[in-house]
Amino acid sequence: GAVVSQHPSWVICKSGTSVKIECRSLDFQATTMFWYRQFPKQSLMLMATSNEGSKATYEQGVEKDKFLINHASLTLSTLTVTSAHPEDSSFYICSLRLAGAGEQYFGPGTRLTVT
Amino acid sequence: DAKTTQPPSMDCAEGRAANLPCNHSTISGNEYVYWYRQIHSQGPQYIIHGLKNNETNEMASLIITEDRKSSTLILPHATLRDTAVYYCIVRGIGGQNFVFGPGTRLSVLP
Repeated sequence: GAVVSQHPSWVICKSGTSVKIECRSLDFQATTMFWYRQFPKQSLMLMATSNEGSKATYEQGVEKDKFLINHASLTLSTLTVTSAHPEDSSFYICSLRLAGAGEQYFGPGTRLTVT
Repeated sequence: DAKTTQPPSMDCAEGRAANLPCNHSTISGNEYVYWYRQIHSQGPQYIIHGLKNNETNEMASLIITEDRKSSTLILPHATLRDTAVYYCIVRGIGGQNFVFGPGTRLSVLP
């Protein structure tokens, strides 16, 4: 399967600061990337869908001005959590899908802790 | 996309087969059944997917009933490393994204 990387794997930041998470496809070009969030003992929840070269589509209840997504190339998407608060502490996971394929491949996740 | 129902948890003895059921009674003709698993603090890992025929790969087998309203993921010889949450997801090939339910927490016991 496809290889997806995320950086950093974990980050601790202070409340009010911004954090950028990178998601890279290492061996294929992805036209569509997805960002999920997972709180402890809960399932993954889709935050937004990112298409290369166009604006991301956010799920209901996800603030687009707080969670900035940039899909700058076919191999890189970034999620920036702006003005982070403790309630933003979560496990953030990106996912990519090959054009025309059914499977999605997931990154290893980034654990964000806001103090 | 059709909704799926899975038992919240299951135990399996190490070395035995683990059979994880999934109900998807509202599945439509063009929707596939996908299985992923998530080991603690990692991203989901693709296991297998199928449309109507049974499928097998190096990780598992997928058995889909003839009416396609349910399926079973089989791990033939479970190991301790198979302890994870297993997600059954139904989605059309052109569907936008995967919707994750609570899954089944499989505990493989020594």
